Amino acid sequence: AQSVAQPEDQVNVAEGNPLTVKCTYSVSGNPYLFWYVQYPNRGLQFLLKYITGDNLVKGSYGFEAEFNKSQTSFHLKKPSALVSDSALYFCAVRRTTSGTYKYIFGTGTRLKVLA
Amino acid sequence: EPEVTQTPSHQVTQMGQEVILRCVPISNHLYFYWYRQILGQKVEFLVSFYNNEISEKSEIFDDQFSVERPDGSNFTLKIRSTKLEDSAMYFCASSEAAGPGQPQHFGDGTRLSIL
Repeated sequence: AQSVAQPEDQVNVAEGNPLTVKCTYSVSGNPYLFWYVQYPNRGLQFLLKYITGDNLVKGSYGFEAEFNKSQTSFHLKKPSALVSDSALYFCAVRRTTSGTYKYIFGTGTRLKVLA
Repeated sequence: EPEVTQTPSHQVTQMGQEVILRCVPISNHLYFYWYRQILGQKVEFLVSFYNNEISEKSEIFDDQFSVERPDGSNFTLKIRSTKLEDSAMYFCASSEAAGPGQPQHFGDGTRLSIL
């Protein structure tokens, strides 16, 4: 069965410092991986995705993520955190076999950027 | 930028009553989804819908749930006889195509409170 794990409920980082939000996955076959962000009382906003190709993918708002097949990880990163990055971040995976287009989400990581 | 819109933003209903949650997907999108998020928990898939048919549904989506696209713009989720445990945030999403690399675009959600 497909699953996604986000081992940290909360990550605190000082403004200007680099941030990492961790995600590991378990799928059969090739994974299609996504990161979404959720601000208070809002829906999920797409940040970036990994389909194939370069292991480092760049997305919105200066975020990037590194796909590591051997470690089955897809960590979200940003070189310099902003207070406005404070939000709930979800990692998700989709199967590559036909007929299943749903997301399987992780439990989410709350990012708090301190001024 | 086109958005998925959901109404109402908050719905309060007595247990046992029927409720209809409404969504207007992005106009050129063909694939539609409902997810729910119980407070403090992860986002869970409910159902996907394409070409006026359910493509896939989860075990949560039992006989009390139904979806419909009554016209060319709306996509609705109906819960026939609500239970306390149906209290959650319900998100509608849409995507232009079905490929697993296609990101889904989410609305801001409807908070359903069952009394």
